[in-house]
Amino acid sequence: DGGITQSPKYLFRKEGQNVTLSCEQNLNHDAMYWYRQDPGQGLRLIYYSQIVNDFQKGDIAEGYSVSREKKESFPLTVTSAQKNPTAFYLCASSAGRVAQYFGPGTRLTVL
Amino acid sequence: AQSVTQLDSHVSVSEGTPVLLRCNYSSSYSPSLFWYVQHPNKGLQLLLKYTSAATLVKGINGFEAEFKKSETSFHLTKPSAHMSDAAEYFCVVSDRGDTNAGKSTFGDGTTLTVKP
Repeated sequence: DGGITQSPKYLFRKEGQNVTLSCEQNLNHDAMYWYRQDPGQGLRLIYYSQIVNDFQKGDIAEGYSVSREKKESFPLTVTSAQKNPTAFYLCASSAGRVAQYFGPGTRLTVL
Repeated sequence: AQSVTQLDSHVSVSEGTPVLLRCNYSSSYSPSLFWYVQHPNKGLQLLLKYTSAATLVKGINGFEAEFKKSETSFHLTKPSAHMSDAAEYFCVVSDRGDTNAGKSTFGDGTTLTVKP
């Protein structure tokens, strides 16, 4: 089955630690995205990548980093510089500028 | 520039009655519009999309939406609610004149509750 996988589903982090969230897609989509979702709010764009080895900051990139070494993979690192990292993180992909397809999400909690 | 406003943060209906979730948008160019559904602790699933073809768009699970340019609206409807429709719904706008693939704007969401 084609789709987007995110791992882990739940992640706990101590303050001051960096953590990396995985996102893999087998849809052969060029574009990939990372969003953050907080309770009662819509999605906010963190980073996106339109092609391998290229990515751009979204609206809330501070404290996050990404890489796009392979078309199918777009990992997100939440660094210790992110002041309020507890949230639900969603990865998405799209073929060009059409609708985005989303992964199941990773819930990150800082202890 | 683009924006989207979901006019109701919560909607409650009885099972078997119609559903109406309202969405207004603004866009500098011809917009693409989408509705997504999110069940608790899940990713978003695409319900339907408008990309300049027919203004009445039919989606999955019996949902449909009508693009009304004069009213800048894209309301989501369903004739008869089912218990499984209870979820969060997001309206999304993307400027088709914008070549930047990352520039979709999400509404804040509408929580749909379905009462037995």
